[in-house]
Amino acid sequence: NAGVTQTPKFRVLKTGQSMTLLCAQDMNHEYMYWYRQDPGMGLRLIHYSVGEGTTAKGEVPDGYNVSRLKKQNFLLGLESAAPSQTSVYFCASSWTSGIGYEQYFGPGTRLTVT
Amino acid sequence: KQEVTQIPAALSVPEGENLVLNCSFTDSAIYNLQWFRQDPGKGLTSLLLIQSSQREQTSGRLNASLDKSSGRSTLYIAASQPGDSATYLCAVLYNFNKFYFGSGTKLNVKP
Repeated sequence: NAGVTQTPKFRVLKTGQSMTLLCAQDMNHEYMYWYRQDPGMGLRLIHYSVGEGTTAKGEVPDGYNVSRLKKQNFLLGLESAAPSQTSVYFCASSWTSGIGYEQYFGPGTRLTVT
Repeated sequence: KQEVTQIPAALSVPEGENLVLNCSFTDSAIYNLQWFRQDPGKGLTSLLLIQSSQREQTSGRLNASLDKSSGRSTLYIAASQPGDSATYLCAVLYNFNKFYFGSGTKLNVKP
């Protein structure tokens, strides 16, 4: 089991460029999430999905779009990158086990927008 | 907006000490609480998950307790080791889509 994987690991963009971050999980989890982590701000939820074909907004969704065409994949898109989107992005997945919704995280993508 | 606070923000202890990390939350109507470890430049690794109906969970040298009525959870680390050095985060879950994270406690265990 690879768990949760993210592609790419690092990326540098110029303001206005676009890109897509890919998250994949092989645990057959229903729920998937995109977070950003900034110093002093903790992790904040951008978007999430409760199943294939569904997406919903989290706490900080502006400037991002997502898609979940396949259960195992969750894509995060930046249509026109801004310096404020410089951050570390984490994908997570979870399922409803007998003890609650335990989250599993990917290794992160470090994005710099210049 | 729910808030999750972790105190202290940083902690440095000599190897072998027992220590307690704190997590407090403003809304006691939680579903569960999860403790994570994050190493520099890495993702989050799940340590323990406590359901709202539970008082504590244990895994090896780690013990997490939950007191919903007071809005508090503690992570107890016994006989700390240099390899325990990392940032420890707690996340409170109110629903499957509403996780709120604290800013973490950065732990340094000195040999």
